[in-house]
Amino acid sequence: NAGVMQNPRHLVRRRGQEARLRCSPMKGHSHVYWYRQLPEEGLKFMVYLQKENIIDESGMPKERFSAEFPKEGPSILRIQQVVRGDSAAYFCASSAGMNTEAFFGQGTRLTVV
Amino acid sequence: EDQVTQSPEALRLQEGESSSLNCSYTVSGLRGLFWYRQDPGKGPEFLFTLYSAGEEKEKERLKATLTKKESFLHITAPKPEDSATYLCAVQAVGGGATNKLIFGTGTLLAVQP
Repeated sequence: NAGVMQNPRHLVRRRGQEARLRCSPMKGHSHVYWYRQLPEEGLKFMVYLQKENIIDESGMPKERFSAEFPKEGPSILRIQQVVRGDSAAYFCASSAGMNTEAFFGQGTRLTVV
Repeated sequence: EDQVTQSPEALRLQEGESSSLNCSYTVSGLRGLFWYRQDPGKGPEFLFTLYSAGEEKEKERLKATLTKKESFLHITAPKPEDSATYLCAVQAVGGGATNKLIFGTGTLLAVQP
């Protein structure tokens, strides 16, 4: 039973490029969450999605960041025109329902040079 | 504002030396409190969920307890393999349909042989 799968594990982008982070939830899970972990800081919520719907994006920066969870395929977190401050570990989690525990992937470590 | 504070920031124990980690929280209403373990370069690994004051859960050398204002993670006779960062998170009632977790900054535990 595969866990939450994220790819790539490491991503290097130059300033101004686009970063695409992918997340496949655990089998049977339809709720996906994205979190960001900056160096020396805690995990910060970014967005909560269900299939084809954004439920809560209160933690997403207003510009350059977007997320989707299409009917088919993985959830995608897209960061356009990356800046050095976007360098962080991005974690995806999934859960089976509203009041069930969330399981995390291994993360994508984004480095902007 | 919903908030989670963990203490201490770091804890060094000798193998076999029991101790406790603290998680204090302030939320408008608690839906659940979660403990995770995170190893360097990895994603958080789910440990426990607690829902109501007085609840306790155990797993191997770990025991989590919950009051109306805080949670404790008790570690009995720790081993070096228990070394990790322990994260506490809360899920708050209200705020619509959000399922987001609010994390503390963690306690870095080092267990020396």
